[in-house]
Amino acid sequence: DVKVTQSSRYLVKRTGEKVFLECVQDMDHENMFWYRQDPGLGLRLIYFSYDVKMKEKGDIPEGYSVSREKKERFSLILESASTNQTSMYLCASAGGRQVSLGEQYFGPGTRLTVT
Amino acid sequence: QKEVEQNSGPLSVPEGAIASLNCTYSDRVSQSFFWYRQYSGKSPELIMSIYSNGDKEDGRFTAQLNKASQYVSLLIRDSQPSDSATYLCAVTGSNFGNEKLTFGTGTRLTIIP
Repeated sequence: DVKVTQSSRYLVKRTGEKVFLECVQDMDHENMFWYRQDPGLGLRLIYFSYDVKMKEKGDIPEGYSVSREKKERFSLILESASTNQTSMYLCASAGGRQVSLGEQYFGPGTRLTVT
Repeated sequence: QKEVEQNSGPLSVPEGAIASLNCTYSDRVSQSFFWYRQYSGKSPELIMSIYSNGDKEDGRFTAQLNKASQYVSLLIRDSQPSDSATYLCAVTGSNFGNEKLTFGTGTRLTIIP
């Protein structure tokens, strides 16, 4: 089974802090994604990566950056956390060039609160 | 205009009945369609994918796709209390292998024992 893990289930940070969210997958997937999920707004794509050191902006990249130095690890960085970044953050991965990128496997999520 | 639209519900269905979940999408070139299930407090999990017009069955689940009407649905037969969850419809665009997944906001389904 695909396993996607995230570094923290719950995180509380102060406004202005730099925040790192880590995601690791163990299935050698090329593709990894960061989403945030908010009530009434659904899942929104922040950034994704098709390969090591590659990154593409999603629908809401402002205030975020990402890093993918190794194939299995995809990090989301909040450069200066703000209260409107309080949300559930979900990492996902998808494999292979013969498989649709819509077949994604999600991690358990990190609930981030910025005070 | 939302790209993927779902009725937010809640949709209440008696145990043993058929639950019908609907989704429409706006991008006519959309190629691939997915249903994810999300239990309260958990992350989404993929339950069905469909790529061509018609029906696709997997156990108690049937996905139906009509590209001309830009409509995709999920039927759950013999509904069980364990089917109570939020169901997310998701759609990708063209260019298989290089596409982005767009989610609807989900339909909350409650199965009444």
